[in-house]
Amino acid sequence: DTAVSQTPKYLVTQMGNDKSIKCEQNLGHDTMYWYKQDSKKFLKIMFSYNNKELIINETVPNRFSPKSPDKAHLNLHINSLELGDSAVYFCASSRLFGRAADTQYFGPGTRLTVL
Amino acid sequence: AQKVTQAQTEISVVEKEDVTLDCVYETRDTTYYLFWYKQPPSGELVFLIRRNSFDEQNEISGRYSWNFQKSTSSFNFTITASQVVDSAVYFCALSGVIQGAQKLVFGQGTRLTINP
Repeated sequence: DTAVSQTPKYLVTQMGNDKSIKCEQNLGHDTMYWYKQDSKKFLKIMFSYNNKELIINETVPNRFSPKSPDKAHLNLHINSLELGDSAVYFCASSRLFGRAADTQYFGPGTRLTVL
Repeated sequence: AQKVTQAQTEISVVEKEDVTLDCVYETRDTTYYLFWYKQPPSGELVFLIRRNSFDEQNEISGRYSWNFQKSTSSFNFTITASQVVDSAVYFCALSGVIQGAQKLVFGQGTRLTINP
């Protein structure tokens, strides 16, 4: 059984389009995250959600809007895609909220290519 | 501010050699946690180990071992008798709590290539 899953795995689209990435975790975790990995492999947190509530929003453009319909799902919608949005986006989850000790488990990633 | 530095961008060794990946971190927290993740060519991020700041005992898991030294703010990872399947990008990460939420700060990653 996949613990953290993401769809789609690959996404190729034109500049200016709007796209969504979906994430689901079946671990019963309370907290979910979105990360961006750039072309140099640098990983940076974008958003942190606890039980459907947005907690951390790093300096991410307003074109990125996360939505959590329930605590097992966290989707990422991106408006007006730009070339610089090309990256791998990872979803992750951790069991509890606000604990430095918690292990974050990552999904397989979604490779977004903007042409 | 929290920071993690993995100074080795790329390492290439021949199979069966031992290899050590360095990780140096900066934090003002007295309690913190350190993690290592592996990203194989298939792209997923795989959790390897978690270590807390108040336990300096070294850890060994099969061919993998970790050396945590608080005095030098380092958490190095050694693979003994490396194998081709160990080829991956390895990330060290520092965990703290900011604005009430856990925040993982990752190093730049070290790309390890094991040649047959």
